[in-house]
Amino acid sequence: SYVLTQPPSVSVAPGKTARITCGGDNVGTKTVHWYQQKPGQAPLLVIYYDKDRPSGIPERFSGSHSGNTASLTISRVEVGDEADYYCQVWDFTTDHCVFGTGTKVTVL
Amino acid sequence: EVQLVESGGGLVQPGGSLRLSCGASGFTFGSYYMSWVRQTPGKGLEWVADIKRDGSEMYYVDSVKGRFTISRDNAKNLVYLQMSSLRAEDTAVYYCARRGRDDYNPLFDYWGQGILVTVSS
Repeated sequence: SYVLTQPPSVSVAPGKTARITCGGDNVGTKTVHWYQQKPGQAPLLVIYYDKDRPSGIPERFSGSHSGNTASLTISRVEVGDEADYYCQVWDFTTDHCVFGTGTKVTVL
Repeated sequence: EVQLVESGGGLVQPGGSLRLSCGASGFTFGSYYMSWVRQTPGKGLEWVADIKRDGSEMYYVDSVKGRFTISRDNAKNLVYLQMSSLRAEDTAVYYCARRGRDDYNPLFDYWGQGILVTVSS
């Protein structure tokens, strides 16, 4: 089955930039979406179609896609950005949704 | 305002059955695929099942095929997850989620608050 690999954790100081990667076989050929999940809450879509932001998501959140890696970048990190982040693609060979392993962002 | 509200969770013994329901409001229910996604305590997200707009097609993760059934009632704006032959590893928070309109790049644009299913003797 298709696997998306993310670093388990990323630590960042307030005001700095956090970058979360999402790697998978030929992920460059797939469309990637990103979700933020704070403790005790449901996931929230923060980036779709690799780089687009839903309304209400700050411009500090951006997405990119290059080769076999997709990335979520959070600029000018705030304490409120502390959460788990998941990438997601659709594997059309199996008609299955696949989530990444998740990354816990800690704001120091 | 889009709202998704799950119900029906709880404690069930291994081998038992449970039916989750998800009530939807704030959008034209029959125009969207609906999904169930679960999260084992302290772990990541796992997609469980999808159902097409008219209920004619369903898709499942391999680990629940033959045990779980997703269905919907478009007249009542409800989606269900019938779970049988439950195992300890099915213990999770189950989220009802709306799939976005783009069938070629599926995503989940709205989620319910989640409901806990615990499989234990």
